[in-house]
Amino acid sequence: AQKITQTQPGMFVQEKEAVTLDCTYDTSDPSYGLFWYKQPSSGEMIFLIYQGSYDQQNATEGRYSLNFQKARKSANLVISASQLGDSAMYFCAMREGFRNQFYFGTGTSLTVIP
Amino acid sequence: NAGVTQTPKFQVLKTGQSMTLQCAQDMNHEYMSWYRQDPGMGLRLIHYSVGAGITDQGEVPNGYNVSRSTTEDFPLRLLSAAPSQTSVYFCASSLQGGAVGNTIYFGEGSWLTVV
Repeated sequence: AQKITQTQPGMFVQEKEAVTLDCTYDTSDPSYGLFWYKQPSSGEMIFLIYQGSYDQQNATEGRYSLNFQKARKSANLVISASQLGDSAMYFCAMREGFRNQFYFGTGTSLTVIP
Repeated sequence: NAGVTQTPKFQVLKTGQSMTLQCAQDMNHEYMSWYRQDPGMGLRLIHYSVGAGITDQGEVPNGYNVSRSTTEDFPLRLLSAAPSQTSVYFCASSLQGGAVGNTIYFGEGSWLTVV
């Protein structure tokens, strides 16, 4: 079974609108961390936001927020007020408590339309 | 502020040639790893290490070799390059242990083409 599933290969959003990128995960470990990374066309991987499995509140970092629904095992990234510079590939990742590996999804390509 | 440094950035190889992708980090991270990124496949783990002298296989280890003689360095060797190894390779490092919030830091990537 896939540890991380991103079902949206590509998404489009109008500039200044909000967009949600979906991510579901699979683990039986009660302790885990969920991460989102941005990969612009230049190729580097940029860390955006983190959510711990025991965190009571959804994580927020500026225009990024993580909609964490533990029972559904989903960790969707919400980008508010989209900007042209948000056009990139976005990866969801998970790290389990007793392992060191990071598991990545296949990514979602986001295009912001002026 | 070096972080994770990997070289070379671009390389073209002929089928059957061998080469080493270099990776170094200056953050004293125990955990280091190599990923390959292919279109539609996300990042797949090739090999990883949790400390000097300790390495283990990831999801796609065939055709690759690693060693970890120091905390800082984690080179990836392609033993006999094949066109299927054409990909973008990322080295990454992190603090290890039970703190799941330790994020992973990536190098800038190495674009490898095997002809």
